[in-house]
Amino acid sequence: DQQVKQNSPSLSVQEGRISILNCDYTNSMFDYFLWYKKYPAEGPTFLISISSIKDKNEDGRFTVFLNKSAKHLSLHIVPSQPGDSAVYFCAASSNAGGTSYGKLTFGQGTILTVHP
Amino acid sequence: KAGVTQTPRYLIKTRGQQVTLSCSPISGHRSVSWYQQTPGQGLQFLFEYFSETQRNKGNFPGRFSGRQFSNSRSEMNVSTLELGDSALYLCASSRGTAGTGELFFGEGSRLTVL
Repeated sequence: DQQVKQNSPSLSVQEGRISILNCDYTNSMFDYFLWYKKYPAEGPTFLISISSIKDKNEDGRFTVFLNKSAKHLSLHIVPSQPGDSAVYFCAASSNAGGTSYGKLTFGQGTILTVHP
Repeated sequence: KAGVTQTPRYLIKTRGQQVTLSCSPISGHRSVSWYQQTPGQGLQFLFEYFSETQRNKGNFPGRFSGRQFSNSRSEMNVSTLELGDSALYLCASSRGTAGTGELFFGEGSRLTVL
């Protein structure tokens, strides 16, 4: 039972254009969502997060949108740069009980390739 | 500020052996979580320790265990290794309290079981 799904294994975009990475979840108890970027042979690096009480969070070139009714979130990267080429993971947590801060449920990841 | 440090980075074991992996969290972080990454299953949560107590546990067999010391450093142990345990084991740390949702990951320990 995969509670967080990234249905696109890969995405290819041109430098300067927008990259849109999508993520769906099934567990309505999730209340905090994160995006991580991972390069080969390195650990995941935190990019941006959003609480379920918001529908948008922006940080520089990165914007995350959350649609709770559709149980869907997306990460927009504008403009895309070749250095953004990496695997992007969507993750979710449920902290209603106040004890699950270290437990994230990850999607399978999407490989983003940005061509010069 | 030093990041999360994991040792060893690479190791090779044979079936039936056991292995211990170590993780030093970011200074001030009291929560340490462990994840297993494999090509087929992605990143899967193993367990989380907070102030020396296991606070959360994933769906892994009892062969996978861990502990946390008073200085927040953590170790995980896998006994009776199986071929399917070959994976990248990632440790992540955080303050572990409200408002600190993001985890900071180490570079991982890559375990190969032959």
